[in-house]
Amino acid sequence: NSKVIQTPRYLVKGQGQKAKMRCIPEKGHPVVFWYQQNKNNEFKFLINFQNQEVLQQIDMTEKRFSAECPSNSPCSLEIQSSEAGDSALYLCASSPLWGNYAEQFFGPGTRLTVL
Amino acid sequence: SQLAEENLWALSVHEGESVTVNCSYKTSITALQWYRQKSGEGPAQLILIRSNEREKRNGRLRATLDTSSQSSSLSITATRCEDTAVYFCATDEGFASALTFGSGTKVIPCLP
Repeated sequence: NSKVIQTPRYLVKGQGQKAKMRCIPEKGHPVVFWYQQNKNNEFKFLINFQNQEVLQQIDMTEKRFSAECPSNSPCSLEIQSSEAGDSALYLCASSPLWGNYAEQFFGPGTRLTVL
Repeated sequence: SQLAEENLWALSVHEGESVTVNCSYKTSITALQWYRQKSGEGPAQLILIRSNEREKRNGRLRATLDTSSQSSSLSITATRCEDTAVYFCATDEGFASALTFGSGTKVIPCLP
């Protein structure tokens, strides 16, 4: 039932390869989040945007990931050089509001496997 | 800050019975949210309870919040097979507006 679209659903890469995934947020939602969920169900916040601007990102994202949310195009998250530890489910979420009370609407995720 | 944590990894319950998932957190919060994640899907919000609220209901779901003990619970009454999912609590104690999720509790009303 998710209105947040993520592609591809599955992605397999070799170590050192680039891995790129895309997200189309729900229409009218200016805030977009990326999270990483590992096999132990642990979530890690990666980066968020309001419209096209980066609001917050963690250190790992700043160094090895690149992300953007251009106007009128899907948002994207790219790992520049994949590592085995990057194998995880990457979840995109969008929100109509900025703030602590805003619901986040999640896509089904892109499951990345790094061989 | 430390993550919110659910207390149990998995809960098995007979269909039709009630089940309660508990969560504890470590820092002050403005709100706590409960999410459900079914297999192959992203999390979906069930209930948001603000720090000044003690209880919130949504159909068969009831969430409580005790800020003095920094704990919350989610109860599901009359469980159905479609309630099979991992239930997470999430707080706003991380980066602004980013959610900090607990490790989740799997609820299994219908064993295969």
